[in-house]
Amino acid sequence: QSVLTQPPSASGTPGQRVTISCSGSSSNIGSKTVNWYQQLPGTAPKLLIYRNDQRPSGVPDRFSGSKSGTSASLAISGLQSEDEADYYCAAWDDSLNGRYVFGTGTKVTVL
Amino acid sequence: EVQLLESGGGLVQPGGSLRLSCAASGFAFSSYAMNWVRQAPGKGLEWVSIISGSDGSTYYADSVKGRFTISRDNSRNTLFLQMNSLRAEDTATYHCAKDIGSTVETLGFDYWGQGTLVNVSP
Repeated sequence: QSVLTQPPSASGTPGQRVTISCSGSSSNIGSKTVNWYQQLPGTAPKLLIYRNDQRPSGVPDRFSGSKSGTSASLAISGLQSEDEADYYCAAWDDSLNGRYVFGTGTKVTVL
Repeated sequence: EVQLLESGGGLVQPGGSLRLSCAASGFAFSSYAMNWVRQAPGKGLEWVSIISGSDGSTYYADSVKGRFTISRDNSRNTLFLQMNSLRAEDTATYHCAKDIGSTVETLGFDYWGQGTLVNVSP
């Protein structure tokens, strides 16, 4: 079982804003930076957000990340059909001698 | 252009072994930590292991510790994963992923390979 909890699904109509939460603990989100990944169907994951709120080059500014305490969020504004994908949060975790942990994943559907 | 190309997957019986490779190009391979991440069919992402770019430090997920070994050959720009004592639950697509930084306390994975499928079955 993952130590980072996400809602299994989220949805919105084109143009809407969708937010995905990621709940962790003091050994991961509470003390480490958070990453977000997007996985389109049948493809390898892609880094969307690193260091809580930084976007790699080429990622649209419709995607934004934030962190507060032991939780993080990914917001997608101006939802588009091509945003339909699985989204995963992730962070380093200091428990159990150190490990990288992914969230449970959220399937975003564009209605 | 950064490219990561995995190979070595296939069908193996429980208890068997496989060695995965990841050929890297387009960046200074020895300067970055590298990772293996797997995804079982229809399931989420699971981090497997990381090796630093600087001192060769390694970490493993508890699920593979003692059975899998990550290594790298910086002269050949290649990452490896030696998998022993394979179990049915190791069945997954294995991706190699380049780290943003050089150390094992990763800041994230900015490039991923397409993956190689490992199927552990009698």
